[in-house]
Amino acid sequence: DVKVTQSSRYLVKRTGEKVFLECVQDMDHENMFWYRQDPGLGLRLIYFSYDVKMKEKGDIPEGYSVSREKKERFSLILESASTNQTSMYLCATRAGGGSYNEQFFGPGTRLTVL
Amino acid sequence: QKEVEQNSGPLSVPEGAIASLNCTYSDRVSQSFFWYRQYSGKSPELIMSIYSNGDKEDGRFTAQLNKASQYVSLLIRDSQPSDSATYLCAGSTGTASKLTFGTGTRLQVTL
Repeated sequence: DVKVTQSSRYLVKRTGEKVFLECVQDMDHENMFWYRQDPGLGLRLIYFSYDVKMKEKGDIPEGYSVSREKKERFSLILESASTNQTSMYLCATRAGGGSYNEQFFGPGTRLTVL
Repeated sequence: QKEVEQNSGPLSVPEGAIASLNCTYSDRVSQSFFWYRQYSGKSPELIMSIYSNGDKEDGRFTAQLNKASQYVSLLIRDSQPSDSATYLCAGSTGTASKLTFGTGTRLQVTL
C-alpha cells in the first residue's frame, strides 16, 4: 500500500511567518504534488515535482515555493504567510512512466493563518 | 469549457437506490480517468480507475467510460448512508504526470 504522510494535521500560524509543510512517501514514486482545497473552488494545484530537484508551477504558485532534495520528500514553503492562505493543503504522489498510474493523497494539513 | 466538469449537487438518493454520478471532459483530457471519494474534512481516496470504453465493476461500484461522447460515470448500487461524500472525477492530460480534477459532486444518501 502507498503511504503518504504529512507533517501536521492542523497548524495555526501568524501573518508574516514562514511556514513549512512536509510530505513524505514510501513508494518510490517519481511525481509529487501540492494542492490546496477551498470550499466551492475544488482542488487547485500549487506546484508539482517529477524528479529530485525538479519542480513545475501549477495553477496557483504565487506566494508559495517548494523543495525536493530527496525523492521521498516534498516540501511546501509559505515564505510569508497571509490570511488568504488559510486552507486545506493536500500532498499527493503518483508513479511516473504512464498516464494510467494512480494518484494517492496524504491526510492533509489544515492551515489557519491569523 | 473546463477540462473536467461535474455537477456540484447535492445529489440525493434514498438508501438502497442506485446513485449515478457523471463527469464530462474536454479534448485535452483523454487517456485515463479516476474516481475519488472524499468525506468531509478528509483527503480524497481513490475508488475506481478506468482507461477503456465500456464498464468496469468493483463491488457495488461501476465506472463507465464513453470516449465518443466524452463522459465518464460512476454508479453506486445499493447506496448506503456511508456513501454520503463528495465524489471527484479526474483525468490525465497530455502531460502524463498530473491529473485534472473536477470540482466534485456531493452525494447524500437518505434513510
